[in-house]
Amino acid sequence: GENVEQHPSTLSVQEGDSAVIKCTYSDSASNYFPWYKQELGKRPQLIIDIRSNVGEKKDQRIAVTLNKTAKHFSLHITETQPEDSAVYFCAARGGSNYKLTFGKGTLLTVNP
Amino acid sequence: DTAVSQTPKYLVTQMGNDKSIKCEQNLGHDTMYWYKQDSKKFLKIMFSYNNKELIINETVPNRFSPKSPDKAHLNLHINSLELGDSAVYFCASSASLAGAQFFGPGTRLTVL
Repeated sequence: GENVEQHPSTLSVQEGDSAVIKCTYSDSASNYFPWYKQELGKRPQLIIDIRSNVGEKKDQRIAVTLNKTAKHFSLHITETQPEDSAVYFCAARGGSNYKLTFGKGTLLTVNP
Repeated sequence: DTAVSQTPKYLVTQMGNDKSIKCEQNLGHDTMYWYKQDSKKFLKIMFSYNNKELIINETVPNRFSPKSPDKAHLNLHINSLELGDSAVYFCASSASLAGAQFFGPGTRLTVL
């Protein structure tokens, strides 16, 4: 089955800096890659997603890049703010079974 | 409000009891899911229903039984609760099997 590795597990940045979180996946048939933000005690919230026919997608300060050959995808957050502090999860969905496999999460702390 | 909702928000019970968690979505989605998030924050799919049909059934003890009375509802019944069942259970829904998934607020289950 699919295996998703996520790094780093914790990331601390200063307000205004950029943050990058990286994920790799094992199933070359995976075709959908969402990113979720989960604040303490809250639900995971979809912040951006990308499909396998696209290499990059941006939404204001957030961007995701996908390298299908290398089977990795990354989340980029620019001009970080304290309210960006949360756990971020990447996920990959297989082509045949529609199952979403999550990475283990990255705790991002943005220091004011 | 259009959303995915779950009840109860908190559930504290004794080992050996049977309990149910209810989920409803008013987004008009065809697909619903149950996820388990353990104490290390790892999110894992348990079940998925599409148009009331069971699509994904992960390696979950048969003490866990999902039921989808209609497309808008997916309930989870757990028999003979064990200490290891303590976790946060999230319901989610998507427009289709290939659609983006949106999570409910979660149910924190504590088994004593």
